[in-house]
Amino acid sequence: DAGVIQSPRHEVTEMGQEVTLRCKPISGHDYLFWYRQTMMRGLELLIYFNNNVPIDDSGMPEDRFSAKMPNASFSTLKIQPSEPRDSAVYFCASSRTANSPLHFGNGTRLTVT
Amino acid sequence: AQRVTQPEKLLSVFKGAPVELKCNYSYSGSPELFWYVQYSRQRLQLLLRHISRESIKGFTADLNKGETSFHLKKPFAQEEDSAMYYCALWMDSSYKLIFGSGTRLLVRP
Repeated sequence: DAGVIQSPRHEVTEMGQEVTLRCKPISGHDYLFWYRQTMMRGLELLIYFNNNVPIDDSGMPEDRFSAKMPNASFSTLKIQPSEPRDSAVYFCASSRTANSPLHFGNGTRLTVT
Repeated sequence: AQRVTQPEKLLSVFKGAPVELKCNYSYSGSPELFWYVQYSRQRLQLLLRHISRESIKGFTADLNKGETSFHLKKPFAQEEDSAMYYCALWMDSSYKLIFGSGTRLLVRP
């Protein structure tokens, strides 16, 4: 198993542009999480899904952020329009059950100029 | 409010010295605590969880409900232990895992 796969690894974009981050969870994992990592705030939970259904999106910063999970093997996190303060590393993680250990992807480093 | 606090951003020790990475939590429910580690150029991965009560790579952590702490300890640090360490709290009330801000451990030769 290749583990959780995220793409792209790096994204550099200009303020105002749309950004889409992608994630493929581990097969058989029913839970998928999106986290954001910054120096100031550490790892913040943005949203998580259970069986493709968004369960808690209270961590999503604002309406510019949206996430979807159209099927069990794919999820996207979209930022539209992007702003410089969105610059961070975005991690996707999956787990078999709600409280089983998380398996993280390599992350996407986003830079918004 | 639920919170995980790691007071040290950076901890630097010499090889062979004891290490203690501090973690305190605030949660009114029944806590389940984890330590995750991120080595250079590697993914964030689980190091240990309190319910398994096992030692991984020489690290141990004991949940102290009285002090609401889950400090990570190792008696003799190795250079390969240099990494970013995150303490995490699983909240059964909301089915969420929240992380502390992390501590970077640097083990010097």
